Amino acid sequence: GDSVTQMEGPVTLSEEAFLTINCTYTATGYPSLFWYVQYPGEGLQLLLKATKADDKGSNKGFEATYRKETTSFHLEKGSVQVSDSAVYFCALSDRQTGANNLFFGTGTRLTVIP
Amino acid sequence: DGGITQSPKYLFRKEGQNVTLSCEQNLNHDAMYWYRQDPGQGLRLIYYSQIVNDFQKGDIAEGYSVSREKKESFPLTVTSAQKNPTAIYLCASSILGQVLDGYTFGSGTRLTVV
Repeated sequence: GDSVTQMEGPVTLSEEAFLTINCTYTATGYPSLFWYVQYPGEGLQLLLKATKADDKGSNKGFEATYRKETTSFHLEKGSVQVSDSAVYFCALSDRQTGANNLFFGTGTRLTVIP
Repeated sequence: DGGITQSPKYLFRKEGQNVTLSCEQNLNHDAMYWYRQDPGQGLRLIYYSQIVNDFQKGDIAEGYSVSREKKESFPLTVTSAQKNPTAIYLCASSILGQVLDGYTFGSGTRLTVV
């Protein structure tokens, strides 16, 4: 079945540090991949997405590249800010099993300290 | 502003009680979803609905029930059959068949059994 595996958290970084949050997936079809972010007390928001192999999604300084050969979609940011503190979820949608449903990872909590 | 409103924000349930969580959207979205969020387990799909008067079970539907009498509303009832209901419940909506545009999430209801 479809699944997403994220790196365990929490992650604590100093401001301006480099961020990587690992995400790997298993899918039976041709998945689209997403990163969602949840700020404290809020619902999830779509951060970025990629729909096919080698696509790069980007938004707010965050990037992730769809790597079919390693079944990965790692989230990166070159210089984090305190305002990036949140929980980050990797997710996939598999057109073969149900394009309207999203499968989420466990989430990774990021704390950025000044 | 368009969005999803979940109420209440906090809810306490006694053993053996049924409780109903409200979810209302004014985005004119056809599809609506309920997810359960537990620490370390990510988001798991409870029920989803793609059209009024129709809904489908997700991965963990046991102990829950839903209705979809209006396009704007998708309430979730946590029944006494749900043995471990303490969690955060997130409601989401999307344009039907357009998961690539992302889901819009509410800010959640935190349910605690007392």
